[in-house]
Amino acid sequence: GENVEQHPSTLSVQEGDSAVIKCTYSDSASNYFPWYKQELGKRPQLIIDIRSNVGEKKDQRIAVTLNKTAKHFSLHITETQPEDSAVYFCAALDTGNQFYFGTGTSLTVIP
Amino acid sequence: DAGVIQSPRHEVTEMGQEVTLRCKPISGHNSLFWYRQTMMRGLELLIYFNNNVPIDDSGMPEDRFSAKMPNASFSTLKIQPSEPRDSAVYFCASSFEGNYGYTFGSGTRLTVV
Repeated sequence: GENVEQHPSTLSVQEGDSAVIKCTYSDSASNYFPWYKQELGKRPQLIIDIRSNVGEKKDQRIAVTLNKTAKHFSLHITETQPEDSAVYFCAALDTGNQFYFGTGTSLTVIP
Repeated sequence: DAGVIQSPRHEVTEMGQEVTLRCKPISGHNSLFWYRQTMMRGLELLIYFNNNVPIDDSGMPEDRFSAKMPNASFSTLKIQPSEPRDSAVYFCASSFEGNYGYTFGSGTRLTVV
């Protein structure tokens, strides 16, 4: 089955700096990679996703890159703001339509 | 659309009692997932239904856990008997054909004392 690893587990950045979270996956047939943001006490919410036929996708301050050869994908947040502080989860969808989640990255943006 | 609806939001129960968590998926979605979230293990998939049929329950920790989906608009996760180590937030999520519109419910915070 699929195995998703996520790094780092915690990340602190100064407001205005960039944050990068990286994930690797094991199943080369996985074809969909979403990122979720979970604020304290709330549900995970989809913030951006990428499919395997695309190398990069951007939505305002958030971007995701995918390297299918290396089987890794990354979340990039630019010009970070305090409200970006949350736990971020990556996931990979395998050919059986099951999601496998990373263990999460707790991001703290220091004002 | 009200999204994925879970109940109760919070549940405190004594060890040994039966606990039933409920989930109403988004109308039109045909896939439903139950997850458990803890600090130690993150988000763990417990069971996955497609068209009301359990597809993979390999994540169900033990026989004390059971899940049903009697129709397209309702699912339950039952723990009997409950134990303190079952304390966690349990999320339900639904989607159409695997990944389209994948949405989490607000979760049920379970505390077993």
